[in-house]
Amino acid sequence: DAGITQSPRHKVTETGTPVTLRCHQTENHRYMYWYRQDPGHGLRLIHYSYGVKDTDKGEVSDGYSVSRSKTEDFLLTLESATSSQTSVYFCAISRELTEAFFGQGTRLTVV
Amino acid sequence: QKEVEQNSGPLSVPEGAIASLNCTYSDRGSQSFFWYRQYSGKSPELIMFIYSNGDKEDGRFTAQLNKASQYVSLLIRDSQPSDSATYLCAVPSGTYKYIFGTGTRLKVLA
Repeated sequence: DAGITQSPRHKVTETGTPVTLRCHQTENHRYMYWYRQDPGHGLRLIHYSYGVKDTDKGEVSDGYSVSRSKTEDFLLTLESATSSQTSVYFCAISRELTEAFFGQGTRLTVV
Repeated sequence: QKEVEQNSGPLSVPEGAIASLNCTYSDRGSQSFFWYRQYSGKSPELIMFIYSNGDKEDGRFTAQLNKASQYVSLLIRDSQPSDSATYLCAVPSGTYKYIFGTGTRLKVLA
């Protein structure tokens, strides 16, 4: 199994609070991704990274920011959580846009 | 907008039958294609990838690629109840990212 760890695995937070999700990899893969998955929408890309300090927006980036200060860690921050951000969040890694491997997911509930 | 389309299902097949899952894509330049299986409440797991036209077999799974018609299929032979899951098709888009279909839910009936 690819070495990807997401934390926390579950979180409940209040509307308006900032939240940070962490993705940690031990594979030294160049590419890292944050997706959210909601019923009827499948996997939607939030942000991705193609190297340390190199990030870009995906299709649903509003309200989210990311940082990658070292190869192994990719952080996703919800600047001010809203109920529409209640979702399951997946981190994925890829070596060179070949196979992507997913973390276990984080279930986030915003109340 | 480049797209990947899948029938959401559910696709129901009896145990022991062949399940056929299809995916169409819009980008004629796509070179590689990935199939993921996702059990309810779990993360997607890579099961097959294919780069060239034709068939690729791995155990009970066969991926079929037809670039001229822009579709990729996944066949599951001798379907088992444990194959019941959602199957996601993914296609690289541009240099850095993937586009995923919304997935087809497969139900294998015992």
